[in-house]
Amino acid sequence: AQSVTQLGSHVSVSEGALVLLRCNYSSSVPPYLFWYVQYPNQGLQLLLKYTTGATLVKGINGFEAEFKKSETSFHLTKPSAHMSDAAEYFCAVSDHDAGNMLTFGGGTRLMVKP
Amino acid sequence: EAGVTQFPSHSVIEKGQTVTLRCDPISGHDNLYWYRRVMGKEIKFLLHFVKESKQDESGMPNNRFLAERTGGTYSTLKVQPAELEDSGVYFCASSQDWLAGAHGELFFGEGSRLTVL
Repeated sequence: AQSVTQLGSHVSVSEGALVLLRCNYSSSVPPYLFWYVQYPNQGLQLLLKYTTGATLVKGINGFEAEFKKSETSFHLTKPSAHMSDAAEYFCAVSDHDAGNMLTFGGGTRLMVKP
Repeated sequence: EAGVTQFPSHSVIEKGQTVTLRCDPISGHDNLYWYRRVMGKEIKFLLHFVKESKQDESGMPNNRFLAERTGGTYSTLKVQPAELEDSGVYFCASSQDWLAGAHGELFFGEGSRLTVL
């Protein structure tokens, strides 16, 4: 069975600082990998994804993530945090051979201090 | 274009009562998913509809949960009778087609928060 671990349920950064949200997965085969973001009073929205090809993927709002197979990681980064980035971020994986079910990590709430 | 809408946004019921949650997907989206987040835990898959058919219901916790999607449009999720451990946020999502869903291109609703006392 797949599992996803997000290190740190809460992360606080200063505005302008680097954002690093960690995600590690366990899977018998390289899965598809996703980051979703949930802003207050909104539904989850897809931030970026890795399916095949280039392992460094770029998403909306300046975020990017790198798939590292050897480390089974898919960490999310942004060079400079903005107040509007405050939200909850979810890493998810799917086994593309087993349907469309997503397996989520526990979520990381990002707080941005002025 | 309207997004995925869920109703009610919040429901508070007593243990043993029945609750029905509704989800209206984006128009034209044949694939509809239900997920649940119990307090402090991960978001977990419940089931996946393709049109009116249940494609995958492996995540349904037990037979107190019944999901329907009559006519392949909106979906309902009924919990009967509700137990304390059913409290959480129930998310609905839809995707344009199966492939979009496989690639994570899901559109989520805001969720229905269920509190069972």
